[in-house]
Amino acid sequence: SSELTQDPAVSVALGQTVRITCQGDSLRNYYASWYQQRPGQAPVLVIYDKTTRPSGIPDRFSGSSSGHTASLTITGAQAEDEADYYCNSRDITGNQPVFGGGTKLTVL
Amino acid sequence: EVQLVQSGAEVKEPGESLKISCEGSGYNFNIYWIAWVRQMPGKGLEWMGIIYPGDSDTRYSPSFQGRVTISADKSTSTAYLQWSSLQASDTAMYYCARPLWENYADYPFDHWGQGTLVTVSS
Repeated sequence: SSELTQDPAVSVALGQTVRITCQGDSLRNYYASWYQQRPGQAPVLVIYDKTTRPSGIPDRFSGSSSGHTASLTITGAQAEDEADYYCNSRDITGNQPVFGGGTKLTVL
Repeated sequence: EVQLVQSGAEVKEPGESLKISCEGSGYNFNIYWIAWVRQMPGKGLEWMGIIYPGDSDTRYSPSFQGRVTISADKSTSTAYLQWSSLQASDTAMYYCARPLWENYADYPFDHWGQGTLVTVSS
């Protein structure tokens, strides 16, 4: 099991807002990054340093963090946002990167 | 344009050896670490280890230490992941990934290879 815990599945109605969370003690000390992985494709970085979007990532994606929980929010979810989402930070020892177990987002 | 291009899918039998590759282009390969990430069928992402091509400094996840070898060839801008004796449990997609910042051996990873599917079956 991962040191970063995510809900296995979340659903959202088209155009609505959804929050995907990631919990772990290491998040008190280290920023979270988030990746989107569509079926059959490599992961794509969508948020890093807790809140920063790489160029080319739509502004409907945003990140936040509080205590031991990091969150990825999609405001106005689109059909193309249906994918697996992984959080990424450091393990509790701080020695290496670790990924959350992933959340499968379904857009209804 | 930064690109990481990985070698093609492999089908191997248990006990065989294997070396897969990841060729970087569009940037100074020597000053960016390259990580390897495993994704078993239907499962999540696992960080395996990372190498600095400039001096071959390599770090492994304890979960993969001793089970795989990560290397790099500066002259061809290529990183490698190899096994000396494959097991069925090594069946997975393997990705190489580059950290966002140069000389930075850590997440986040902003460029990824397309993945290499390794199937180990008798």
